[in-house]
Amino acid sequence: AQTIHQWPVAEIKAVGSPLSLGCTIKGKSSPNLYWYWQATGGTLQQLFYSITVGQVESVVQLNLSASRPKDDQFILSTEKLLLSHSGFYLCAWSRPGGADAEQFFGPGTRLTVL
Amino acid sequence: GEQVEQLPSILRVQERSSASINCTYENSASNYFPWYKQEPGENPKLIIDIRSNMERKQIQGLIVLLDKKAKRFSLHITDTQPADSAMYFCAASAAGGADRLTFGKGTQLIIQP
Repeated sequence: AQTIHQWPVAEIKAVGSPLSLGCTIKGKSSPNLYWYWQATGGTLQQLFYSITVGQVESVVQLNLSASRPKDDQFILSTEKLLLSHSGFYLCAWSRPGGADAEQFFGPGTRLTVL
Repeated sequence: GEQVEQLPSILRVQERSSASINCTYENSASNYFPWYKQEPGENPKLIIDIRSNMERKQIQGLIVLLDKKAKRFSLHITDTQPADSAMYFCAASAAGGADRLTFGKGTQLIIQP
């Protein structure tokens, strides 16, 4: 069975500080991976997706970047946090091949920027 | 791109009655329409989905209808229970190398005893 793990569970960071969030998926080879952001009480906004190691596509520019250093790992980062970065960050995966495949979300990381 | 409109934003229904949530989309190339349920503080969970080769799908008390001509799809929950209270999101995706899901703004479903 596939398991998806995100770290940390929650973060409180200062404006202007750097950030790194991680996601790993086990039990699935070469999954498609996604980063989403959800403001409190808001909808889900897809930020990045990756279909293979080393390749990341940006969907929305929010002064964030993403990388896929390993097949099972997806990293979201920024060098300088803004207040507007606060929210719930969700990693998701779908089977390779992509078209109309179900996406399954990880447990998420709750980020508060002060 | 894709735009998804979801209504209503808040829905209150009596326990054991039916609840309906409606979504519209713009991109006629969209062919996959999932529905997610999100409880407070939790991640969204896929509850049902429909693909463009179908008009209706049912999983127990959940029914999804798709009208491709009108670019409209809907979720119907029959015999609602208190455990159905949650945020519900619809989404649409066009085929490609990865799924570019676009979500609606969500519906807060409140089941009243």
